[in-house]
Amino acid sequence: NAGVTQTPKFRVLKTGQSMTLLCAQDMNHEYMYWYRQDPGMGLRLIHYSVGEGTTAKGEVPDGYNVSRLKKQNFLLGLESAAPSQTSVYFCASSYGTTNTEAFFGQGTRLTVV
Amino acid sequence: SQKIEQNSEALNIQEGKTATLTCNYTNYSPAYLQWYRQDPGRGPVFLLLIRENEKEKRKERLKVTFDTTLKQSLFHITASQPADSATYLCALAKGNTGKLIFGQGTTLQVKP
Repeated sequence: NAGVTQTPKFRVLKTGQSMTLLCAQDMNHEYMYWYRQDPGMGLRLIHYSVGEGTTAKGEVPDGYNVSRLKKQNFLLGLESAAPSQTSVYFCASSYGTTNTEAFFGQGTRLTVV
Repeated sequence: SQKIEQNSEALNIQEGKTATLTCNYTNYSPAYLQWYRQDPGRGPVFLLLIRENEKEKRKERLKVTFDTTLKQSLFHITASQPADSATYLCALAKGNTGKLIFGQGTTLQVKP
């Protein structure tokens, strides 16, 4: 049982390049989330989705776009990477009712130079 | 907007003692509050959930309290062990909005 899988695990980008981070979950969860984690800042919500075909903005959505075309996948895109987007990115999923926990992926360490 | 505060200073305690971590929040009251553990280089792992109508929840050596008047949750680890050393995060969501917001975490170091 894989749980939540993020691809890739590490990436180095040049300023201005674009990339897509892939998150896949095999638990049939409705809700999916993208967070970034920076030293001293904790986990900050970028975008989230409460079901297939729906997305919503979190706390720090600028510079990112997302898509949820299939229930099991949640994609995070950076159209024009900036050094300020250097971070560790975590994807998470949950059943989405009021009482259930979130399951996290192993993280993607992104460096923008 | 919702603000969640955890003690940013690391907590150092001796093995066998009880560790107590604090999570304070402002603005609206969440329907439930969760606690997670995060080890270096890994994603957070769920530990406990407590609902707004519950005062206390226990799981093995872990205990969580939830005071909606004080807008505070306390997380206790009794008989702490070096293996409990990690960063502990609290998180909350309001009803079914879907937004799960985290505090910045408190790092616990248990010394043998």
